[in-house]
Amino acid sequence: GNSVTQMEGPVTLSEEAFLTINCTYTATGYPSLFWYVQYPGEGLQLLLKATKADDKGSNKGFEATYRKETTSFHLEKGSVQVSDSAVYFCALSTNTGNQFYFGTGTSLTVIP
Amino acid sequence: GAGVSQSPSNKVTEKGKDVELRCDPISGHTALYWYRQRLGQGLEFLIYFQGNSAPDKSGLPSDRFSAERTGESVSTLTIQRTQQEDSAVYLCASSLVAESPLHFGNGTRLTVT
Repeated sequence: GNSVTQMEGPVTLSEEAFLTINCTYTATGYPSLFWYVQYPGEGLQLLLKATKADDKGSNKGFEATYRKETTSFHLEKGSVQVSDSAVYFCALSTNTGNQFYFGTGTSLTVIP
Repeated sequence: GAGVSQSPSNKVTEKGKDVELRCDPISGHTALYWYRQRLGQGLEFLIYFQGNSAPDKSGLPSDRFSAERTGESVSTLTIQRTQQEDSAVYLCASSLVAESPLHFGNGTRLTVT
């Protein structure tokens, strides 16, 4: 079946630290991969996506590379800011299904 | 409006009562999804609509849950005889077509007392 496993939180980092949030997936077919972010008090919104192997999605300084060989889509940012404090969800959709599959979310807190 | 709109934003109900949650998707979005997010947990898929048909109802947790959609517009999620375990945030999302990125509403926080 299809599933997403992501690193458990919560994660607390100091401002300007390097961030990695791990995400691995299991999927039938050829999935598209996404990172969604939920800022405090707001709805989920798309952060970045990649639709095929070796694609790199990027937005707001965040990056994730679609690695088919390791079935991973780890989220990285070189220097986090307080405003990046949020919950991050890894997700996939497949071209054989009609669902999005989400990970459990990773809470990130960045302290000044 | 510009985004997905859900109402009410908060709902407190007594155990055993029925509730109806509403979702207004982005105009022109053919695909609509309902998810449930329990406190501290991830998103649990409930149902997916393509137009006004629901090809995937596999996530509905029991026959107390039902959903419908009018054309490619408003959807309602109805929970009958609510139980305390139904307490959660119910999220609606729409997309232009199936599998394109989702646009989420802010959710309805349901508390069953």
